[in-house]
Amino acid sequence: QKEVEQDPGPLSVPEGAIVSLNCTYSNSAFQYFMWYRQYSRKGPELLMYTYSSGNKEDGRFTAQVDKSSKYISLFIRDSQPSDSATYLCAMSPYNFNKFYFGSGTKLNVKP
Amino acid sequence: GAGVSQSPRYKVAKRGQDVALRCDPISGHVSLFWYQQALGQGPEFLTYFQNEAQLDKSGLPSDRFFAERPEGSVSTLKIQRTQQEDSAVYLCASSFDAVGDGNTIYFGEGSWLTVV
Repeated sequence: QKEVEQDPGPLSVPEGAIVSLNCTYSNSAFQYFMWYRQYSRKGPELLMYTYSSGNKEDGRFTAQVDKSSKYISLFIRDSQPSDSATYLCAMSPYNFNKFYFGSGTKLNVKP
Repeated sequence: GAGVSQSPRYKVAKRGQDVALRCDPISGHVSLFWYQQALGQGPEFLTYFQNEAQLDKSGLPSDRFFAERPEGSVSTLKIQRTQQEDSAVYLCASSFDAVGDGNTIYFGEGSWLTVV
């Protein structure tokens, strides 16, 4: 069993929809939680970064971490076709020198 | 440079050949990481450097894989006697420091290796 589980999708939504992406994990030592966006044939790009539990909002994006349930989420409001990409969750223990990634969820936002 | 630069972007190697992949991190970044990403999968950790010191190489899949960062800047990932299962995207990432709230890790665009 992988340390980080993520539904691979694909997830297809109409433009303007609210998108919910999720990951679960098994290692209680994880302290840092990140969401990356990866376009085809590009490197991952950091979207959101959260330390420990709680919520964080940045524009149309909201990240939630529930350490008690070992569950993290990314919400995208008013989704746009330009949001179409693969979304990767990533986690790290306190020392921040090794990231554990989910397998990625492919999102398609239809105009 | 403005971002993490990797070369070559695409490499086709015959099985058994040696390959070398280069990473030029963002200037001044202390930490450097190599990840391997198979098709349709998330990146998997290979190794981590802090300056020139290789602090963690636990993700290197076999002794055919070797990474170095001799002057604490440019890094090279070498794969000897390549096998078909080595076909993947090799991602390099760098960050200013190892720990810190709000610290950001920047990824390069990857080196796409195909072993035939």
